[in-house]
Amino acid sequence: EEQLVESGGGLVQPGGSLRLSCAGSGFTFSRDWMSWVRQAPGKGLEWVANIKQDGSEKYYVDSVKGRFTISRDNAKNSLFLQMNSLRAEDTALYYCARDGRGAALDLWGQGTTVTVS
Amino acid sequence: QSALAQPASVSGSPGQSITISCTGTSSDVGAYNYVSWYQHYPGKAPKLLIYEVSNRPSGVSNRFSGSKSGNTASLTISGLQAEDETDYYCSSYTSSRIQVFGTGTKVTVL
Repeated sequence: EEQLVESGGGLVQPGGSLRLSCAGSGFTFSRDWMSWVRQAPGKGLEWVANIKQDGSEKYYVDSVKGRFTISRDNAKNSLFLQMNSLRAEDTALYYCARDGRGAALDLWGQGTTVTVS
Repeated sequence: QSALAQPASVSGSPGQSITISCTGTSSDVGAYNYVSWYQHYPGKAPKLLIYEVSNRPSGVSNRFSGSKSGNTASLTISGLQAEDETDYYCSSYTSSRIQVFGTGTKVTVL
């Protein structure tokens, strides 16, 4: 069964850092672009960042540029999101997702919660 | 990059059809046939319903269909069922090489 499992969320003070992880299984992780998406409390989905199969291309939403870094370790089937200089507005449920055909996100994890307070 | 515009809520009776619109710009929805639709029950993982404007992944009911005209994409749910009551989001690839989601639509089955 194809699966994504996020971890690393928690409570952090403003200005602090956190590193999220996402473990993939049941599919060939190294063949796919991967993304992070978040949902703040009471708000809609927001795409955060994605990364190419070999890590050579990375894209970010403007609100996290310079603060968040997406990376991956294909040998360990893992995706990461290093979050620095965290703000209250970064409080959200963070999902990792696989980029499929036409940039559609065809596999999602259950999410990990980040609270900045 | 602004979120794509969706109606906040849409409602219909069981068995009816409803349509959710998703309006973007010539830099996103209008530029590419890379529009997707997701069904999201709060607290659960979103589920892909439609990719590349009108394609359904394996296992998705044919009651869900997608289309696009200009800068506006649409999701139609036919034969509305009680289990369809939840949130729906569109998304599009953009000329900035990032993705943008819609504002989300809450579907209510009357």
